[in-house]
Amino acid sequence: KAGVTQTPRYLIKTRGQQVTLSCSPISGHRSVSWYQQTPGQGLQFLFEYFSETQRNKGNFPGRFSGRQFSNSRSEMNVSTLELGDSALYLCASSWQGVQETQYFGPGTRLLVL
Amino acid sequence: SQKIEQNSEALNIQEGKTATLTCNYTNYSPAYLQWYRQDPGRGPVFLLLIRENEKEKRKERLKVTFDTTLKQSLFHITASQPADSATYLCALADTGRRALTFGSGTRLQVQP
Repeated sequence: KAGVTQTPRYLIKTRGQQVTLSCSPISGHRSVSWYQQTPGQGLQFLFEYFSETQRNKGNFPGRFSGRQFSNSRSEMNVSTLELGDSALYLCASSWQGVQETQYFGPGTRLLVL
Repeated sequence: SQKIEQNSEALNIQEGKTATLTCNYTNYSPAYLQWYRQDPGRGPVFLLLIRENEKEKRKERLKVTFDTTLKQSLFHITASQPADSATYLCALADTGRRALTFGSGTRLQVQP
């Protein structure tokens, strides 16, 4: 069974731009969660989607948004990029949600200049 | 406020010894506690999940304990190997919440 895939793997943007990251979960998984990982803050929860609905959201500004499609693939968007948005963005999928095994993708490394 | 604390200092041990990592939490009522391994530049990989009504869980050379009175979980790797060198993260989901919160992780270095 294929694992969680994320595209692109690396991205360089400049301040003020916007970016869209994509995540394809393991086949059959309906829950997709997104995390931001930085050396200073560690792994921080962004939001979780289940069957195209956002079920929970972390403490991030409204510039961070996401969506999930009917095939469970998910995208997250960051508008008006700031230098502090430079991070590894990870998505994780599972059958039912965050209280079970999370299968993480390899991440997208975003650098904002 | 809610906190999950893991030893931020790296743990260095000799090959063959048992590594013990600690995860302490405050102001949580976790239904589950999970442990993950993360290698540099890669996503975390699930290792073990332990429920609030379980005291101990084992998988091959790994053992996790969960003490809800002490609000602590211990993660043990027996007969450690250099390939076990990685950062280990604990994570918990509070009862009623739908967010998984991670500790900052402990880096384990196993010397040959």
